[in-house]
Amino acid sequence: EIVLTQSPGTLSLSPGERATLSCRASQSVDNNYLGWYQQKPGQAPRLLMHGASFRATGTPDRFSGSGSGTDFTLTISRLEPEDFAVYYCQQYSSSPEWTFGQGTKVEIK
Amino acid sequence: QVQLVESGGGVVQPGRSLRLSCTASGFRFSTYAMHWVRQAPVKGLEWVAVISFDGSIKYHADSVKGRFTIARDNSQNTLFLQMNSLRIEDTAVYFCARGTPSGGGYYFDYWGQGALVTVSS
Repeated sequence: EIVLTQSPGTLSLSPGERATLSCRASQSVDNNYLGWYQQKPGQAPRLLMHGASFRATGTPDRFSGSGSGTDFTLTISRLEPEDFAVYYCQQYSSSPEWTFGQGTKVEIK
Repeated sequence: QVQLVESGGGVVQPGRSLRLSCTASGFRFSTYAMHWVRQAPVKGLEWVAVISFDGSIKYHADSVKGRFTIARDNSQNTLFLQMNSLRIEDTAVYFCARGTPSGGGYYFDYWGQGALVTVSS
């Protein structure tokens, strides 16, 4: 099983600032089969990125993903009020035990 | 538009059973693999089970293997999760999710709103 570790646990930032979220895998994620999800309180997760760097339908272009192998990053270039949420990474290279990171909370400073 | 609506959650005693349903609309249900993902209170996400588009292939997470069974009825556009021998640690919100294939795996592009299952004596 591939274990994903996200850091930091909580990111305290102001609207307009840049957010950089990290997701580190315990072993290589083949073909960059890594997704990012956003979850707001009381809601289901929403797919933001797949294939590490491809935006899902409807994802604003202030969100970008990068990385390969074991280290991946989600960047939000300028935080909007609606971006304050919890973000999860998920690997889908190791079937069928698809795993998620423990989440990074982006909160208003 | 794609919609997934779960039902069947509730409070149940340890050792008892519960069946969750997920009704799909807005897409060709019979052509997609479907998953269950759960989230324990104030916890992260845990993949639970997957079923292929035609129901012929199923996988379950080790944590539920032998107790939970995923199933589907394509004629009714419905996904199921039969949960037997429930444990307190199965308490969670259970989401159904559509799987989009990529390589040998899936990412989850649409999710239901979730069904809360509480296992308590």
